[in-house]
This record gives sequence, structure tokens and C-alpha cells, in this order.
Amino acid sequence: EAGVAQSPRYKIIEKRQSVAFWCNPISGHATLYWYQQILGQGPKLLIQFQNNGVVDDSQLPKDRFSAERLKGVDSTLKIQPAKLEDSAVYLCASSLEMGRTGGSPLHFGNGTRLTVT
Amino acid sequence: AQSVAQPEDQVNVAEGNPLTVKCTYSVSGNPYLFWYVQYPNRGLQFLLKYITGDNLVKGSYGFEAEFNKSQTSFHLKKPSALVSDSALYFCAVRALWDYKLSFGAGTTVTVRA
Repeated sequence: EAGVAQSPRYKIIEKRQSVAFWCNPISGHATLYWYQQILGQGPKLLIQFQNNGVVDDSQLPKDRFSAERLKGVDSTLKIQPAKLEDSAVYLCASSLEMGRTGGSPLHFGNGTRLTVT
Repeated sequence: AQSVAQPEDQVNVAEGNPLTVKCTYSVSGNPYLFWYVQYPNRGLQFLLKYITGDNLVKGSYGFEAEFNKSQTSFHLKKPSALVSDSALYFCAVRALWDYKLSFGAGTTVTVRA
């Protein structure tokens, strides 16, 4: 099966500019996640979708970050305006899991490395 | 709140020796536990998981992990390490009743030839 696709792989922008990342999950996966991975740290969940509804966005800085998952498939994550501390790898993941029960593993894309200068 | 601790930033072993990567967790209720591996410039890859049943779980690439409820630990093990096992390893936990998966800070494993 095809894996989780993300683009772009790398992005360099100046602070206060905007940027968008795209994710195409594995076909049939209902749950989609965006994680932020700062160098030397574990991934931190930004937002989780179940189909096209938001399950958890408690750690999403909503004054600058936004995400959508139209039609319950592809997703985009946007940052506007970017700050220096947003420099990180943004990972998209998907899983089969339909609800709170079940332990379906997450399948990750290769990520987008964002550098804010 | 749930959390994961990986007490060692780095683990260094010689090829052919046993490899252990430690993980302890804190969660309300019973946990789902996972191990992932990350190679440079790649996303995380699933290694194994514990949901219920046998405390010893076997996964990909010869890895296994032992769930210890009393010690709230889920250590990753491999009997004989390979140079190709050198990577960054993450432990993750989720409560059975919750959606949220929390990751540890990661342990860098270096296997020398």
C-alpha cells in the first residue's frame, strides 16, 4: 500500500511569512494527525481529525496555526505568520482507528522540515 | 495527564550485544503502548505495540518489548544488535479510553561494529 504522502519536504521562509503543508493519508484511514517535532524532542500532537471532524486541537496555537481536512481525506496545515520557534519538522500520520477502542498504529509520512529565518 | 519518560538520551552498544531501550509511562487506567523508530530525515516507523494479553510483545526486525504493569515500564529489547539498528527510538502511550497518543523525548541508539 502507498504510504502517507507529505509535501514539500523542505521549506525555508522568513519570520512573519506564511506557509502551508499538505498531507495525503493512506487510503481508508479515518484518523489523521499533525505532529510538530522540534530537534531533540519527541513529536507533539498539534491536531487530530476523525474523518473531517476535529477530535483534539488543544495544543494547536490557534492564533497562527490552522488546519483543515476537507472531505475526510487530504489535509493542509497552515502557519500565518511564522515565528522563529516554529522551526521544526511537521509530521503527518494516519491510522485506521475509528474510535477510542482499538490500538491501530500510526503510519507517518517523511515530514516537512521548516526553517524560519 | 499522560506522559512517557525515556531516561536515557543515548544508548551505545557493540554489534552482537543485547540492546535495551528503557521506557516508563504514566496514564490513567490501562494503557496502549507503542515503540517507533526514526531514521535520519524519515518519519517514524511502527515497531510493536502492547494492548492486552502476553506481557512480552514481539515486533519488527527482531525487536521485542516487555510490559510491566507494577513498574509502569515498557522496555524495548533486542538480543543481538546490528549496526543497522542505529536510529532514534520513541516510546508512546495512550489511555484505552482516550484518543491522544503521547511520545517520549526519544533515545538515540548507536551500534558500533
